[in-house]
Amino acid sequence: QLQLQESGPGLVKPSETLSLTCTISGGSISSSNYYWGWIRQPPGKGLEWIGNIYYSESTYYNPSLKSRVTISVDTSKNQFSLTLSSVTAADTAVYYCARRAFTWDFDYWGQGILVTVSS
Amino acid sequence: QSALTQTASVSGSPGQSITISCTGTSSDVGGYNLVSWYQQHPGKVPKLMIYEVSKRPSGVSNRFSGSKSGNTASLTISGLQAEDEADYYCCSYVDSSTLQFGGGTKLTVL
Repeated sequence: QLQLQESGPGLVKPSETLSLTCTISGGSISSSNYYWGWIRQPPGKGLEWIGNIYYSESTYYNPSLKSRVTISVDTSKNQFSLTLSSVTAADTAVYYCARRAFTWDFDYWGQGILVTVSS
Repeated sequence: QSALTQTASVSGSPGQSITISCTGTSSDVGGYNLVSWYQQHPGKVPKLMIYEVSKRPSGVSNRFSGSKSGNTASLTISGLQAEDEADYYCCSYVDSSTLQFGGGTKLTVL
């Protein structure tokens, strides 16, 4: 059974960089059939797509976040990562990693990790 | 890109059918058959209910169905049950290989 698990700091200071990692178990990040993505959800609000990456490192980002986001992959560790620079309180959210099919839907999700931006 | 438009809330009684709509543009919902729907119970992880407008993943009840007309996609839940009470989000592929979620609809089962 495929499982995804987010990890990283739960608290980040304003203007600093948020860094999260998603570890995949029960499957391979190098599968040619899937992309891997990040989605976030501010407290009490809706879902926002951040971006996707393919194992070959092809990436797609949300235009509203593109200047601050980098998604990378480490096939040797079966992980992919998210960095978001120059964070503000508006970046406080639960961050989910997920598997994205070629039909552009997310069929497996991690449990999510709450990241709070505060001094 | 703007969020897809969903009605903020909808309600229904057990056994009834309800429909949640998701309105976009010809650049997203209307232009591609790549609309998906997610169910999210409070404090839980979103769950894929419908993909490619009308396809159900294995294990999802056939009480859930999806459709599309023009720039509007719809999720219909028939035989409403108490466990269906949740937030529902649509999501669509958008020009230039990006994705857009709707603002979400809160379903209340009366």
